[in-house]
Amino acid sequence: QSALTQPASVSGSPGQSITISCTGTSSDIGAYNYVSWYQRHPGKAPKLMISEVSNRRSGVSNRFSGSKSGNTASLTISGLLAEDEAEYYCTSYTGSSTPYVFGTGTEVTVL
Amino acid sequence: QVQLQESGPGLVTPSQTLSLTCTVSGASISSGHFYWSWIRQPAGEEPEWIGRIYTSGITMYSPSLQSRIILSLDTSENQFSLRLTSVTAADTAVYYCARLVDRHLFDYWGQGILVTVSS
Repeated sequence: QSALTQPASVSGSPGQSITISCTGTSSDIGAYNYVSWYQRHPGKAPKLMISEVSNRRSGVSNRFSGSKSGNTASLTISGLLAEDEAEYYCTSYTGSSTPYVFGTGTEVTVL
Repeated sequence: QVQLQESGPGLVTPSQTLSLTCTVSGASISSGHFYWSWIRQPAGEEPEWIGRIYTSGITMYSPSLQSRIILSLDTSENQFSLRLTSVTAADTAVYYCARLVDRHLFDYWGQGILVTVSS
C-alpha cells in the first residue's frame, strides 16, 4: 500500500485561503469516504480536524473544510491565522490487510 | 477529555525487544466501542500503521511487521502495550498510540515517543 501524496509545503499570508491536496488511488480515497485530516504542532499530539472527508470535528474552526473528488481529497484553510502554522496529514481507510494509509505530510507556513 | 501518553525506553539495542506502553485517561480501554492502535513515523517519512487491538483482545497487525509484533491490553491499569522484537535501525521512529473509532478513524493520539535503535 503506497503512501498518499501531499505537497511538501504550502504557504499563505494571514487572511488568505490555502488548499492541501491528498492523492491516493481507487483502492483507498476513491473507494471509501473515510478520509481524515490531522494537524500536528511540533512536540504535540496530532489533532483530528476533519473526518469522513468533510465532517469537521467538534471544536474545530469552520475555517477548516474538507472535500473529495475521485482519488484526491483536499483540506482548505480559509482566513489563515498564525496558529494554523503546523504540519497536516491526511489518512484513508483501505479495507485491505493494511487498512490505513497515511499522507506524506504538508508543512503549512503563514507568511 | 481523552488523553493518551506513550512511555518506554528511548534507546533500544539492535536485536533486542522494543516495549512501549500507552496510558489512557478520560476513557476506558474496556469500552466495546473502540480499538487501540499504534502508529510510527520514521524521520522524513510518512506515518506507518503498526497494529490495533480490540477490547476483546483481538488483534490485527501490519503484514510487514506481524512476525515481530505483540499488542496487549492491561485493563486494570487502563493501558495497552506494544512489543516489537528483533529490532534494527529501521525501527527507529517516533511511536504514537491512538484510539481508533469505527475501525476507520483515529480520533485521539498521544504526543509520541522517539525510540532510537542503536548500540
